[in-house]
Amino acid sequence: GENVEQHPSTLSVQEGDSAVIKCTYSDSASNYFPWYKQELGKRPQLIIDIRSNVGEKKDQRIAVTLNKTAKHFSLHITETQPEDSAVYFCAAINTGGFKTIFGAGTRLFVKA
Amino acid sequence: DAEITQSPRHKITETGRQVTLACHQTWNHNNMFWYRQDLGHGLRLIHYSYGVQDTNKGEVSDGYSVSRSNTEDLPLTLESAASSQTSVYFCASSVENTGELFFGEGSRLTVL
Repeated sequence: GENVEQHPSTLSVQEGDSAVIKCTYSDSASNYFPWYKQELGKRPQLIIDIRSNVGEKKDQRIAVTLNKTAKHFSLHITETQPEDSAVYFCAAINTGGFKTIFGAGTRLFVKA
Repeated sequence: DAEITQSPRHKITETGRQVTLACHQTWNHNNMFWYRQDLGHGLRLIHYSYGVQDTNKGEVSDGYSVSRSNTEDLPLTLESAASSQTSVYFCASSVENTGELFFGEGSRLTVL
C-alpha cells in the first residue's frame, strides 16, 4: 500500500539556523505533496505544497523541493524563529483519488 | 465563513460503549476524511468519503464505521470502544481539484 516516510522525527535548531525535513513516498502515482504545520493543541494547517510538474517552490522563508525520480521531497526553513516550533507533516496524494497519506511527523524545536 | 466543526471536543467513555464523533462542514466539499493522531504515528487515515453514499476504508479502519447521508456530515462511530482507540480524532475535507485538506479542531477521546 501507499507509504510516506519522514525524517527526522525530532529536530532541534538554534534560532536563525536552517531546518530541513525529508520525506520519501512509495506510490508513483502521487502528484501532489503538501506540508502541514501543527502547533501544540491546534489543528494541522497547510503551509506549502508542490505538484509533480514542479521541482521547487518557495514562499518567503520556507521552500519545498521534489525529486520524482527518487520519490523524495523536502521542506527547508531558513532563518528559523521560535514561532516555527511545531510538528510538521509531509504528505503525498494522488489527486485522482484525493486520499492523503501522511508521514509520521517531525517535531521542530527552535531555541531562542 | 465556511468552516468544519467537530463534536464533542472531549469525551471520556468506557470500554464496550458505542461512541459517535460528529463532523460537519459548510464548504460543500465532496471529499471528507477521518484521521486519528497518536504520538509516533502521525495522522493515520480511518475512513474517507468522496460523496453522498460513498464510504471507503483507510489504513486503520477496524472497529470504526462511517456513513455519508448528505454532503455536510461524516459521523464516525466506534461500535464497541476499546482502550486502543484512545486518541485525538481529526475530521477533514478537501477541495477536489487541489487536494488541500481543511481540518476540524479535533476530538480527544479517552476510553477507560
